[in-house]
Amino acid sequence: EIVLTQSPGTLSLSPGERATLSCRASQSVSNRYLAWYQQKPGQAPRLLIYGASSRATGIPDRFSGSGSGTDFTLTISRLEPEDFAVYYCQQYGTSPALTFGGGTKVEIK
Amino acid sequence: QLQLRESGPGLVKPSETLSLTCTVSGGSISSTSYYWGWIRQPPGKGLEWIGSIYYSGSTYYNLSLKSRVTISVDTSKNQFSLKLSSVTAADTAVYYCARQDYGDYVDCWGQGTLVTVSS
Repeated sequence: EIVLTQSPGTLSLSPGERATLSCRASQSVSNRYLAWYQQKPGQAPRLLIYGASSRATGIPDRFSGSGSGTDFTLTISRLEPEDFAVYYCQQYGTSPALTFGGGTKVEIK
Repeated sequence: QLQLRESGPGLVKPSETLSLTCTVSGGSISSTSYYWGWIRQPPGKGLEWIGSIYYSGSTYYNLSLKSRVTISVDTSKNQFSLKLSSVTAADTAVYYCARQDYGDYVDCWGQGTLVTVSS
């Protein structure tokens, strides 16, 4: 089983700042089969990025994903007030079996 | 527009079986492009994939839950279901049903339903 470790656990930033979230896999994720989700309190997660770097429909271009192998990054170029949430990475290299990272909370500083 | 909606008891007694159904509207569960899955989230914690099913009935389960999980599909009703047996307090969570694009990432989620295991 591929284990995903996200860091940091919490990121304290101000609106307008850049956020960089990390997701590290215990073994290589095939074909860059990695997705990122955003979850706000009381809501289901929302798909942001798939294939490590492809934005899902309707996702603003301030969200970008990069990486390959075992190291992946989600970058939010300039934080908007609605971006403060918890972010999860998820690998599907072993699909349909999925594994999720533990999450990174982006909070207002 | 595709919608998924979970239904079932919100309270289950320890050692009993948790049963949930997901009703799919705005699309066909028999599409060859998707798998249909269950994912849960204990209060204040992260996401855990439980298992997935294809319209043909092929199933895939999280190895850590496999001995207790059964997922089934009813294409005539456009529904799929989850049964989790011998539940304990550790199974208390929000349970989401979800659509997986070709079995990969989740592109559509239900709203989630909280199931509490308590006597």
